Amino acid sequence: AQSVTQPDIHITVSEGASLELRCNYSYGATPYLFWYVQSPGQGLQLLLKYFSGDTLVQGIKGFEAEFKRSQSSFNLRKPSVHLSDDAEYFCAVVFNNAGNMLTFGGGTRLMVKP
Amino acid sequence: EAGVTQFPSHSVIEKGQTVTLRCDPISGHDNLYWYRRVMGKEIKFLLHFVKESKQDESGMPNNRFLAERTGGTYSTLKVQPAELEDSGVYFCASSFGTVYGYTFGSGTRLTVV
Repeated sequence: AQSVTQPDIHITVSEGASLELRCNYSYGATPYLFWYVQSPGQGLQLLLKYFSGDTLVQGIKGFEAEFKRSQSSFNLRKPSVHLSDDAEYFCAVVFNNAGNMLTFGGGTRLMVKP
Repeated sequence: EAGVTQFPSHSVIEKGQTVTLRCDPISGHDNLYWYRRVMGKEIKFLLHFVKESKQDESGMPNNRFLAERTGGTYSTLKVQPAELEDSGVYFCASSFGTVYGYTFGSGTRLTVV
């Protein structure tokens, strides 16, 4: 079955530290890849997406992600986190045979300490 | 432009009752999607409308769930009768074309007691 895995359920980092959130997906062909963030009381906001081309993608709020085909991964990174990055992060994939349907990972809750 | 609007933001109902969730997509967006996240699980696809037609309803859990999109504008998702396992957050999203421009609403938190 097609699936998306976010191995880290919770991550705590200090303000100013670097961050990497992991995402792996099953399936062979290159899918469409997304990262969303949900702050408390808010909807899902798109951080960045990858469809093709350069495998390093820049997003909003200083985030970037790198698609690695050999590892079926699409990890999210930020060099220096802010308190405002305290939120839940979701990796999502549109698999090639799934129309417009997003398949989500379980989410990673990021807590940022002052 | 106004975003995707969902209401109510919260709903608490008793088991066996009926609840109707509403989603107003971004004006002009033909594609409308419903997703939900039950406690501790992933966000799961429910269904996809293109205008007023159901393009894909493969994620609808059972026949207690009924989604409509009359006139291709707003959509409603009715749960009748509600069960405890229906508790969770229901998200709506809309897009003009394909998945490139998905915009999500803030969600409706449904609690069935």
